[in-house]
Amino acid sequence: DTAVSQTPKYLVTQMGNDKSIKCEQNLGHDTMYWYKQDSKKFLKIMFSYNNKELIINETVPNRFSPKSPDKAHLNLHINSLELGDSAVYFCASSQGSQARGNTIYFGEGSWLTVV
Amino acid sequence: LAKTTQPISMDSYEGQEVNITCSHNNIATNDYITWYQQFPSQGPRFIIQGYKTKVTNEVASLFIPADRKSSTLSLPRVSLSDTAVYYCLVGVKSMDSNYQLIWGAGTKLIIKP
Repeated sequence: DTAVSQTPKYLVTQMGNDKSIKCEQNLGHDTMYWYKQDSKKFLKIMFSYNNKELIINETVPNRFSPKSPDKAHLNLHINSLELGDSAVYFCASSQGSQARGNTIYFGEGSWLTVV
Repeated sequence: LAKTTQPISMDSYEGQEVNITCSHNNIATNDYITWYQQFPSQGPRFIIQGYKTKVTNEVASLFIPADRKSSTLSLPRVSLSDTAVYYCLVGVKSMDSNYQLIWGAGTKLIIKP
């Protein structure tokens, strides 16, 4: 009964390739996120969607494109992968805005390695 | 842009009480302070949340002084399984009046037998 599930968990790919990470939440939340965690463990928000609408779009390369077909899904597509994209990508969800004290539920993470 | 500050790492021993302090000088008036725990190879997990004074649940206590510019997570009688990274999370009002959720750098807590 995983609350926030993301696939794949591990992904090794070559520079220049295009890849996608899928995310689904079964908590009935209206807000979903993508976070990036680098090797130094810094967590940075990339995108946030509320009811399929983009509400947070931090400064990330436009090679990263989120897509939310419905409020239970938020996928992340990455074009022309670069070495610096290697990181752990976490999908998350909450009911209501994260900035208003609502608990964020994270997935297990997707380990992306670009070689 | 304001940010939170936590110790990078801490060590303690089984059975001890551990206190981790986070500084958040520019916390917004209506925002909460939340702590998350992250084990290796897992996503962060909610521990506790508070607005002011003291909050206690089955795993931790959170102490917040009147000025709310800092908070202290207290873990009673830690065990080896409490070894993890602990993140302090607050909402911060930026210069353009938009709210941002700022994650601290995290405190790596190592519990020794």
